[in-house]
Amino acid sequence: DTGVSQDPRHKITKRGQNVTFRCDPISEHNRLYWYRQTLGQGPEFLTYFQNEAQLEKSRLLSDRFSAERPKGSFSTLEIQRTEQGDSAMYLCASSLAGVRGYGYTFGSGTRLTVV
Amino acid sequence: DAKTTQPPSMDCAEGRAANLPCNHSTISGNEYVYWYRQIHSQGPQYIIHGLKNNETNEMASLIITEDRKSSTLILPHATLRDTAVYYCIGMDSNYQLIWGAGTKLIIKP
Repeated sequence: DTGVSQDPRHKITKRGQNVTFRCDPISEHNRLYWYRQTLGQGPEFLTYFQNEAQLEKSRLLSDRFSAERPKGSFSTLEIQRTEQGDSAMYLCASSLAGVRGYGYTFGSGTRLTVV
Repeated sequence: DAKTTQPPSMDCAEGRAANLPCNHSTISGNEYVYWYRQIHSQGPQYIIHGLKNNETNEMASLIITEDRKSSTLILPHATLRDTAVYYCIGMDSNYQLIWGAGTKLIIKP
């Protein structure tokens, strides 16, 4: 296992278009997280899954955002009707639930630019 | 839940030890302290974590005060490649990391 993979690495889209990002976590990790990060800020939590269940969503996750993890493995994050304010780095991380002292492994992120 | 406070930026000379402080006065007894770093345009990278005892691995050492209200991350021989934003992070009761703004560490030749 080579870690957490995210695809694509970069995405440029026109305002109003829909985009979808994919995350492949470490195979034995049952938790998967999505974060958003803008320049100069730390990561902001968006949502997380335990197996296929989406357990929490941040207020940052507007109705235009939807995330899925259909089989408890890979996850997708879709943004509909993109806006310029959606431009950010979208990070995915995975971990083992319920194990204190076990941190997250992050992917390299998908950088979204809305023009 | 542990909230952390870090200086916004620090400089360190190449080859010297970089000591990055973090205050976490609200940490509870069973909360770990995690350190991650983020090199420009990459995802955060795990460095080390600790609960009560000092910890050391191949990347760094973590010194936690006896009262657990603060900790220091030590990079023993900083190199230019250690230039990054370093995050000291707590974990809430739902096993979620609580991120702050981090410390921008600049290693100078």
